Amino acid sequence: QQQVKQSPQSLIVQKGGISIINCAYENTAFDYFPWYQQFPGKGPALLIAIRPDVSEKKEGRFTISFNKSAKQFSLHIMDSQPGDSATYFCAAARAGQNFVFGPGTRLSVLP
Amino acid sequence: NAGVTQTPKFQVLKTGQSMTLQCAQDMNHEYMSWYRQDPGMGLRLIHYSVGAGITDQGEVPNGYNVSRSTTEDFPLRLLSAAPSQTSVYFCASSSLQGTSSGNTIYFGEGSWLTVV
Repeated sequence: QQQVKQSPQSLIVQKGGISIINCAYENTAFDYFPWYQQFPGKGPALLIAIRPDVSEKKEGRFTISFNKSAKQFSLHIMDSQPGDSATYFCAAARAGQNFVFGPGTRLSVLP
Repeated sequence: NAGVTQTPKFQVLKTGQSMTLQCAQDMNHEYMSWYRQDPGMGLRLIHYSVGAGITDQGEVPNGYNVSRSTTEDFPLRLLSAAPSQTSVYFCASSSLQGTSSGNTIYFGEGSWLTVV
């Protein structure tokens, strides 16, 4: 019930295209859903996050869509750029509990 | 603005050797944790601490020890290194365990460990 599933495992997108990464969770007590971006040789860093009281959050080219009834959330990267090539982790959390991370998606954006 | 600092960046150990990965944060965070990252496995929690003097096990604690004598430092000790402990290790911190308004996890740059 603590698991967060993430797909796809890897993704190749052309420059200018839309990258979509999906995550699903089981525990309805989670109340915070962040996405982390990790470049090679670096630690993960917070990219964008959402709480379940909203269905969408947009920051620049990055958008989280959240479907509470389906217990799913996704990251959309519009106008994908080669500089977006990284590994992306979704996560879920609740107060007083450790964050639960998805297995990660390796995104490659071709020039 | 150092954030979370890990040392060493790279280390090669022989099977059976012991070593300590150092982690320090300068954000006065109560919560600190150690993860290992392996291909296809994501981030797996090894140990965590919700404050000085308090530690607990995560998902994969076997073969590792931790202590938290100060708020700033959270070292990870490998007692007798095994090839299965070859991995990338990340230290992380946040103001609280889990969520609160504006809370998130900050990661260090990682420590690459190879056990031969």
